Amino acid sequence: DAKTTQPPSMDCAEGRAANLPCNHSTISGNEYVYWYRQIHSQGPQYIIHGLKNNETNEMASLIITEDRKSSTLILPHATLRDTAVYYCIVRATDKLIFGTGTRLQVFP
Amino acid sequence: GAVVSQHPSRVICKSGTSVKIECRSLDFQATTMFWYRQFPKKSLMLMATSNEGSKATYEQGVEKDKFLINHASLTLSTLTVTSAHPEDSSFYICSAQGGGRNYGYTFGSGTRLTVV
Repeated sequence: DAKTTQPPSMDCAEGRAANLPCNHSTISGNEYVYWYRQIHSQGPQYIIHGLKNNETNEMASLIITEDRKSSTLILPHATLRDTAVYYCIVRATDKLIFGTGTRLQVFP
Repeated sequence: GAVVSQHPSRVICKSGTSVKIECRSLDFQATTMFWYRQFPKKSLMLMATSNEGSKATYEQGVEKDKFLINHASLTLSTLTVTSAHPEDSSFYICSAQGGGRNYGYTFGSGTRLTVV
């Protein structure tokens, strides 16, 4: 699976958009980008995934660059409950291999 | 949506005893399940892939005799930590492939194992 690089931590004010970047410069054409988040002491929660088109659901938007070497997860209106570790994962096989993620802290 | 139930959520056991953790897919069939462990402030580390009706595939460095995995049905996989020691204390999380709109990976809520 392609490796991903994410900043270790980010802060965001409540109500503002949180933009979480992810680099995956070695991604292959058939590898999907998945985003999960993990709130303290819970199992990871699915957020969104995509291949090459931008995607949006009720939780977030996923913007993938045209060359697919990076992506950004956007939480349009962050709340305190969005404080979590966010994992960007590139999947080629059946396995999901987690990197170190970004710890997002939403503050009032 | 797809739900994976993991039980127990917390367990404390004595050194040398064995502990079984169950992972159930409640509203879908999962031919493949995955087991992870997570140490404090660390990421999830994949331990093994569990396939219904066949032997589990373990990641490099994971002792298969220590961490016994059984996937006897399409909705249940179990992880047994045998002869547990304090260093086995960790957060264990299962994931089931199948069900839901995310083309597959639904996670359980995790089991906090403490070996004393």
